[in-house]
Amino acid sequence: KNQVEQSPQSLIILEGKNCTLQCNYTVSPFSNLRWYKQDTGRGPVSLTIMTFSENTKSNGRYTATLDADTKQSSLHITASQLSDSASYICVVSGRSNDYKLSFGAGTTVTVRA
Amino acid sequence: EAGVAQSPRYKIIEKRQSVAFWCNPISGHATLYWYQQILGQGPKLLIQFQNNGVVDDSQLPKDRFSAERLKGVDSTLKIQPAKLEDSAVYLCASSSGRGLGELFFGEGSRLTVL
Repeated sequence: KNQVEQSPQSLIILEGKNCTLQCNYTVSPFSNLRWYKQDTGRGPVSLTIMTFSENTKSNGRYTATLDADTKQSSLHITASQLSDSASYICVVSGRSNDYKLSFGAGTTVTVRA
Repeated sequence: EAGVAQSPRYKIIEKRQSVAFWCNPISGHATLYWYQQILGQGPKLLIQFQNNGVVDDSQLPKDRFSAERLKGVDSTLKIQPAKLEDSAVYLCASSSGRGLGELFFGEGSRLTVL
């Protein structure tokens, strides 16, 4: 069964600090990995999409890394802001089974002033 | 470009009642998804359409849930009769490609079953 595991489940950081979220997956064969940001009461919004050949991608203060060999990804948030408080969801697409998307449970980030 | 539209945003019903949610995807997107998101969890796929055909409904509780996308554009998800455990946010998403293109989500419809 294809799985996506995220850690930590939640974290609290002070405004201006950095943090890193982890995503481990077993989806194989791999197609792409996405990170989404979901504000409370809103739908998820895409931050990055990475394919097998990409090992890092940035979107402003968000930087995602991918190690397809170890099946691990991370999302680094630099100089956190209050607006970064949200749930961050890792989604992996496999090349088999019609590119089915597997979702992680998300990491809830709370940024405090 | 208009995003994915969903309605209603909120719905409160009693168990055994019925409810319907509507979704209008981004224009031109052939793939439409319905997800169920329970508080604290990631979205769980209920059904995936490619145009007006069903690609995957393996996790749809077919005894009470139904969905259609008759003209390959907008879609309706129905629950009848609702159970307490159906309380969740129902997210609609659309994409121009199956699992390859970027996925765009609507704001969701929050259902509370009392």
